Amino acid sequence: GAGVSQSPSNKVTEKGKDVELRCDPISGHTALYWYRQSLGQGLEFLIYFQGNSAPDKSGLPSDRFSAERTGGSVSTLTIQRTQQEDSAVYLCASSLQGATHNEQFFGPGTRLTVL
Amino acid sequence: KQEVTQIPAALSVPEGENLVLNCSFTDSAIYNLQWFRQDPGKGLTSLLLIQSSQREQTSGRLNASLDKSSGRSTLYIAASQPGDSATYLCAGHGSSNTGKLIFGQGTTLQVKP
Repeated sequence: GAGVSQSPSNKVTEKGKDVELRCDPISGHTALYWYRQSLGQGLEFLIYFQGNSAPDKSGLPSDRFSAERTGGSVSTLTIQRTQQEDSAVYLCASSLQGATHNEQFFGPGTRLTVL
Repeated sequence: KQEVTQIPAALSVPEGENLVLNCSFTDSAIYNLQWFRQDPGKGLTSLLLIQSSQREQTSGRLNASLDKSSGRSTLYIAASQPGDSATYLCAGHGSSNTGKLIFGQGTTLQVKP
């Protein structure tokens, strides 16, 4: 079966440009998560979607970051006016439900480099 | 604030050895714990999930335990193989109200043939 997929796998952009990262969760999974992995910070939570509930945006580092989830499936993470410190691997995960007893499955990530 | 510590940060062992990776939480009120492996340049592969009502889980040569009273978890790898070389991450849910995972910094394992 298909796992979590992310695109693009790599993205190089210039400082100040906007970028969009895409995540396709496992079919039937109602919960979707975005994390960021950088050398100095390890893996950190960004945002969490569960069904039709309001997303948990508590991990977004600034108002330049936003995310949407359309139709309860595909999600897009948008970073506006990118900065060099945004360079990281952005990982998406999904789980069957959003409750804490559900296993999270991760995609391969998008490596973002801001020049 | 929940923080996760993994010890050791790096480990090198000869093939065939049994080994233990450690994970501890500053707040022992954790719900679930999940162990992952990450190969260089790749995403995370889920290894084991220990739910809040459980104490351990086993999958093949892997056994993970969770002691909620002390806020500690261990991942035991039996008869290690070179293919086990990777970074191992533990992550926990700090509250029943959120699905987000809080990650440790990982243990990088090298198994030498």
